[in-house]
Amino acid sequence: EPEVTQTPSHQVTQMGQEVILRCVPISNHLYFYWYRQILGQKVEFLVSFYNNEISEKSEIFDDQFSVERPDGSNFTLKIRSTKLEDSAMYFCASRLDRTNTEAFFGQGTRLTVV
Amino acid sequence: AQKITQTQPGMFVQEKEAVTLDCTYDTSDPSYGLFWYKQPSSGEMIFLIYQGSYDQQNATEGRYSLNFQKARKSANLVISASQLGDSAMYFCAMREGPTEFYFGSGTKLNVKP
Repeated sequence: EPEVTQTPSHQVTQMGQEVILRCVPISNHLYFYWYRQILGQKVEFLVSFYNNEISEKSEIFDDQFSVERPDGSNFTLKIRSTKLEDSAMYFCASRLDRTNTEAFFGQGTRLTVV
Repeated sequence: AQKITQTQPGMFVQEKEAVTLDCTYDTSDPSYGLFWYKQPSSGEMIFLIYQGSYDQQNATEGRYSLNFQKARKSANLVISASQLGDSAMYFCAMREGPTEFYFGSGTKLNVKP
């Protein structure tokens, strides 16, 4: 069964460093998302991506964040100059098309900023 | 206003009994989708069930059913015959428009033996 794959599963980084979280969406999907979940809290939308550009982004997704689909398969989230409060679980999701089909989530990357 | 509201931060249910997890939503878009996801302690998000705003019948997937009451804007998840493995966080979500999903704050379900 096709699935969304995220790497690494856990990333520890020092405050101020840049991190890149990687996702491989399901191959024929067209819409891609990043979400984060601070430990014990709700899942928060960060950004959606379609046709090689950002479709929507939340207030959380400021200049510190960027997304890219560099090679047609990977979908990356870059966090520059990480802060302690960026520690969270980051989920990538993909969806087939514009209709009301479910989004498939990756298993998440746990980011710990120390 | 909150797009998705889950009013039960925690629930207990006896094994083999049914349980209903509440979810209400807020949208003026006539076309939307409602979803439930399960998040076990391992952290991943597992899709459970989907209901489209134009669907006439309530969605069912095995032991999961979605009690969709459009006029009341509610989309409660019913789990029949609870199992110990059902203990997890459950998130209600809504897709409005082509892009982002809105998630509720979650309900932590504990199934007691």
